[in-house]
Amino acid sequence: QVKLLQSGAELVKPGASVKLSCKTSGLTFSTTYMSWLKQVPGPSIEWIGWIYAGNGGTNYNQKFKGKATLTVDKSSSTAYMDLSSLTSEDAAVYFCARYNNYFDYWGQGVMVTVSS
Amino acid sequence: DVQMTQSLSYLAASPGESVSISCKASKSISNYLAWYQQRPGEAYKLLIYSGSTLQSGTPSRFSGSGSGTDFTLTIRSLEPEDFGLYYCQQYYERPLTFGSGTKLEIK
Repeated sequence: QVKLLQSGAELVKPGASVKLSCKTSGLTFSTTYMSWLKQVPGPSIEWIGWIYAGNGGTNYNQKFKGKATLTVDKSSSTAYMDLSSLTSEDAAVYFCARYNNYFDYWGQGVMVTVSS
Repeated sequence: DVQMTQSLSYLAASPGESVSISCKASKSISNYLAWYQQRPGEAYKLLIYSGSTLQSGTPSRFSGSGSGTDFTLTIRSLEPEDFGLYYCQQYYERPLTFGSGTKLEIK
């Protein structure tokens, strides 16, 4: 059974960074593409990018280059996303998902609030 | 970027009825389209990919159709667990893009 377990809600100050995690189980992580997505009220979903866990190769939505950095830790089958220089526009729910052109398994989402 | 338009943001229906949810792409995407369901408190669920292929575990009352720019998700004989948000997503080209969602509520 595939599970993607995301870290808890974050409250961060403007200008700060945050690192979100997504621990996977039930899949062969080393041959998996993991993606991150952003959902804002509207509701609207944006694809941020994907990372291939095998070699760390990445592909980003141009809109999120410089904002998001995707990494993985193969030893713990965990994917990470760093979000930098946070502003109110980064406040959203962020999801990790296994990428297979489409997204066949999703994490539960984590809310990021940006406030001083 | 390919814009995905779900013209209906809200749809109300009764259990047992059939509904169709439409999704239109701003350019031809062949059949590179997926449909998702989101229910409150639950993770997103992939229902259909390649426009019409049911993901393992998707009930047969769900069906997808279309190619090119116009796509439809049809749910026959609605069950209570079918109410929620539905999104389409294209994977013809990057950036991958989603429709704005259609909320299916109980009438």
